[in-house]
Formats: sequence, structure tokens, C-alpha cells
Amino acid sequence: QKEVEQNSGPLSVPEGAIASLNCTYSDRGSQSFFWYRQYSGKSPELIMFIYSNGDKEDGRFTAQLNKASQYVSLLIRDSQPSDSATYLCAVRNTDKLIFGTGTRLQVFP
Amino acid sequence: NAGVTQTPKFQVLKTGQSMTLQCAQDMNHNSMYWYRQDPGMGLRLIYYSASEGTTDKGEVPNGYNVSRLNKREFSLRLESAAPSQTSVYFCASREGGAGGYTFGSGTRLTVV
Repeated sequence: QKEVEQNSGPLSVPEGAIASLNCTYSDRGSQSFFWYRQYSGKSPELIMFIYSNGDKEDGRFTAQLNKASQYVSLLIRDSQPSDSATYLCAVRNTDKLIFGTGTRLQVFP
Repeated sequence: NAGVTQTPKFQVLKTGQSMTLQCAQDMNHNSMYWYRQDPGMGLRLIYYSASEGTTDKGEVPNGYNVSRLNKREFSLRLESAAPSQTSVYFCASREGGAGGYTFGSGTRLTVV
């Protein structure tokens, strides 16, 4: 079992819709959870992180964490074509940050 | 601020050659990391350094060595390159606490 699992996609949504990206993790001792966006040929850039159960909102992005279910998600509201990228979920335990394989999101006009 | 700087950006090696990938950060971060990224595999942790003077293995350490030269610099060495080490290598750093990780722009390495 991989430590961090994501559906590879692609997830296709129309412009203006809500995109929902999901991630599960295996280590119950994980402490904080990150969402990165990566455009093709570029380095990952941090969207947001969360470490407490519940929701955390930042602009069009909402991260949701459920530690009991070992589940973290990212919602993107009012999706734009510029949001088309690979979204990487990452989980930190002490000093190690482990990534999932990423979900490719396609937002079509 | 430059953030995290990696050199070189591109490199082609022959099988068996050695090389060192350099990484430096100017954010006074304590922790530094080396990842590799292959198509369909996401980012996999090679080695990390939680603080100056310490290094630890990650998920895929075989074939690599690292040196935390000082607080700013963390290098990755391939002693005898193999085609399986063809990849994009990313360096990252983190200040500590619950905060995020900052990535460099990557080194694209091809071993022929």
C-alpha cells in the first residue's frame, strides 16, 4: 500500500465548476497535509496546507481534512482553464514529506 | 530573495560517470530535501536533512549520497550514474513547524 494515494485522473471539469481532488494516506501519525500544484515542466508550488480536522479556505481553494478516515481533499471553486495542472497531495510525518503521484486536472472552456 | 537555487539545470551523463547536484537556500531554513520525479511516479524522497549536521534516507536512497555542507547548502552525489537515474531532481527546504516546503526549479538529468 502506498503511503499517499491519489487518483491519477485526468479529472475534467467545465470552466466555472467545482473541482474536487481527493487523497488518502496510510500513516496515522501524519501531522500536516499539503496541496501543491505543478504545471508541466515546472516545479511544485504550494497551494495550501492543513493540520487540523475540518475545512480551511483560501480564496477559491478549500482543503478538507478527516484524520479518522485518513482523508484529505481539495476543492477548487469557479475553476478556470489556468487551473489545469497536476495537483499533488503530500503528507508530513516529523521531517519527512511524502507525495502522492498526483491528479491531473483539466478545465475546459 | 532567490529562494532555493539548484545547479545545474540540465545535465547529460554517460553510464558510470559521477556528478554532484548542488542546492542552496537563502531563507535560513533548517530542513532540506532531495526528491526525484519520474513520469507517473510523483515525487519520491531520496534523502533529507532535518538540520545542519544530520542526514537521513528517504524512500529511494540507493545509488545516491548527500552532504549537508552548512545550513544553506545540501548536495546530492551520484557516484556511478545509471540509466535508471534519469529523472528530474528537485531540492526543497522548510523552516520548521507546520509550514510548507519551497522547491527549487529542478535539474533535468539524463544518463545514457
